[in-house]
Amino acid sequence: EADIYQTPRYLVIGTGKKITLECSQTMGHDKMYWYQQDPGMELHLIHYSYGVNSTEKGDLSSESTVSRIRTEHFPLTLESARPSHTSQYLCASSHSGGGGYTFGSGTRLTVV
Amino acid sequence: DAKTTQPPSMDCAEGRAANLPCNHSTISGNEYVYWYRQIHSQGPQYIIHGLKNNETNEMASLIITEDRKSSTLILPHATLRDTAVYYCIVRVANTGFQKLVFGTGTRLLVSP
Repeated sequence: EADIYQTPRYLVIGTGKKITLECSQTMGHDKMYWYQQDPGMELHLIHYSYGVNSTEKGDLSSESTVSRIRTEHFPLTLESARPSHTSQYLCASSHSGGGGYTFGSGTRLTVV
Repeated sequence: DAKTTQPPSMDCAEGRAANLPCNHSTISGNEYVYWYRQIHSQGPQYIIHGLKNNETNEMASLIITEDRKSSTLILPHATLRDTAVYYCIVRVANTGFQKLVFGTGTRLLVSP
């Protein structure tokens, strides 16, 4: 079944650690996105990609980085996690021809 | 993309129709109205979208006024599982990059 997967679902990690949040989709979508959302707050776009080897920064400045080496894979990396990075990170994808986004279930990150 | 205005919260009795309004008075002729919902911090879920004609699918109906300055999402028989934050978004559907900007949405509470 075509879908979008995010791992891990929950992550508690110490300050200064390097982390990578995984996002993969099986729908063949060329566009992919990362949103950040604090509890009870709005979603903010932090990264997006038009396709392979394309990455752009979103509306909200983020210390994270992304890569897009394969169409189906769009990982997000934090080189040195800090408590201010505690949030939920949501990955999404869409098709060039229009239509809606498909979102993953999110990764809830806590940095202690 | 045009800005939207939604009430912050609404209540609905289970089994009744939930009518969620959205104002988008600055909408352009080529902008579509999209609706998403987010259940308890899960990834947002696409519901429906339309340009100027009313639309219906298995989840909901979308009624767009003739001047396209407002719309209403209708959940015909709300259930407890429809409790969620509902987002109304307007954007051009078939552009090279389809950025979704989420506002604060309407928090719908469906009660027994």
